[in-house]
Amino acid sequence: GEDVEQSLFLSVREGDSSVINCTYTDSSSTYLYWYKQEPGAGLQLLTYIFSNMDMKQDQRLTVLLNKKDKHLSLRIADTQTGDSAIYFCAEKAQAGTALIFGKGTTLSVSS
Amino acid sequence: GAVVSQHPSWVICKSGTSVKIECRSLDFQATTMFWYRQFPKQSLMLMATSNEGSKATYEQGVEKDKFLINHASLTLSTLTVTSAHPEDSSFYICSARTGTGKNEQFFGPGTRLTVL
Repeated sequence: GEDVEQSLFLSVREGDSSVINCTYTDSSSTYLYWYKQEPGAGLQLLTYIFSNMDMKQDQRLTVLLNKKDKHLSLRIADTQTGDSAIYFCAEKAQAGTALIFGKGTTLSVSS
Repeated sequence: GAVVSQHPSWVICKSGTSVKIECRSLDFQATTMFWYRQFPKQSLMLMATSNEGSKATYEQGVEKDKFLINHASLTLSTLTVTSAHPEDSSFYICSARTGTGKNEQFFGPGTRLTVL
């Protein structure tokens, strides 16, 4: 079945770039998403990428997709303390289906 | 952007009681709503998919008689945890899908359920 894997923890210093990686197994994924979850809160959609794209940039966020290797990454430039949260990678295999989430990467930003 | 609300945001109940959680799409019609459960420091696990006007589809291992889902309108879905037990304590998150365009899912803020 589908599976999404992420590294569990990333620690960076304020001002540095953060790169969060994700791998998935379902080659029929149509959309891939990055969500942010702050403590005790729900999910906030950060960005998404369609499977026929290999890069998408949105202000400080850059998403890279390597469809051949089924690898997705989220780069946060100039990381701030407010970026500290859990970041979930998610895929959607077919239209109408629910999202499959990774376990989340906890990003810790120190000043 | 599309907004999804959940009510209540947190609830504490005694073991054996039932708790209803509401999920509303505030500014769009949601043809499909999803209910997820999240344990501490874990990912979101899909519990069920509900389409307006039809029975919910439950994921394997989720008891449909325990987690009652009703999707009576295009803007409201409810999850009722019946005869709640401490092991049902969790963070319950709903999401709603517009059914148009890229079929994006919008997530509610979640409901923290604590069963004593």
